[in-house]
Amino acid sequence: EDQVTQSPEALRLQEGESSSLNCSYTVSGLRGLFWYRQDPGKGPEFLFTLYSAGEEKEKERLKATLTKKESFLHITAPKPEDSATYLCAVQAVTQGGSEKLVFGKGTKLTVNP
Amino acid sequence: KAGVTQTPRYLIKTRGQQVTLSCSPISGHRSVSWYQQTPGQGLQFLFEYFSETQRNKGNFPGRFSGRQFSNSRSEMNVSTLELGDSALYLCASSLSNYGYTFGSGTRLTVV
Repeated sequence: EDQVTQSPEALRLQEGESSSLNCSYTVSGLRGLFWYRQDPGKGPEFLFTLYSAGEEKEKERLKATLTKKESFLHITAPKPEDSATYLCAVQAVTQGGSEKLVFGKGTKLTVNP
Repeated sequence: KAGVTQTPRYLIKTRGQQVTLSCSPISGHRSVSWYQQTPGQGLQFLFEYFSETQRNKGNFPGRFSGRQFSNSRSEMNVSTLELGDSALYLCASSLSNYGYTFGSGTRLTVV
């Protein structure tokens, strides 16, 4: 069964204190791994897609990396506006041949000023 | 470029009633997926439609159904509402299977 596990569930950082969020996955045939940011009461906002082990992508203070078993979202010198829930999802192939996203439960990040 | 539009934003329904939620995808996107988000279970896949055909369905009871129209707009319906159906319902549209854009969701509360 396709599974995505994110850790930690919650993370509190001081402004400027860098850290990493983890996403480990078990999927039969990875098509893609997605990172989203979700603010309270809103839909997930796309951040990155990674397709193969060794791939890295960056956007402002965020950097996503991918291995064969897990992905990391590194946050460098975070600011209070980076506070949100970060969701990881893998693109899994269904029995019928179509695809769906399987999500982890997210990491709630709080950055204190 | 308009994003994914979901209506209504909020709904309050009584147990036993039924509800219909609407999703208008990004222009040109033919795939629409629906997800249920709850604090305990996170985001769970409901179903996906492509060119008016349901391509895939998640592990939800038959009370949850959907459809897609020729203009790619999609609706989902939940019949005989239960308290446990209270959740944020999210719709995502995709041009291909390599990028999914989510709407802001419909917050359904069942009382």
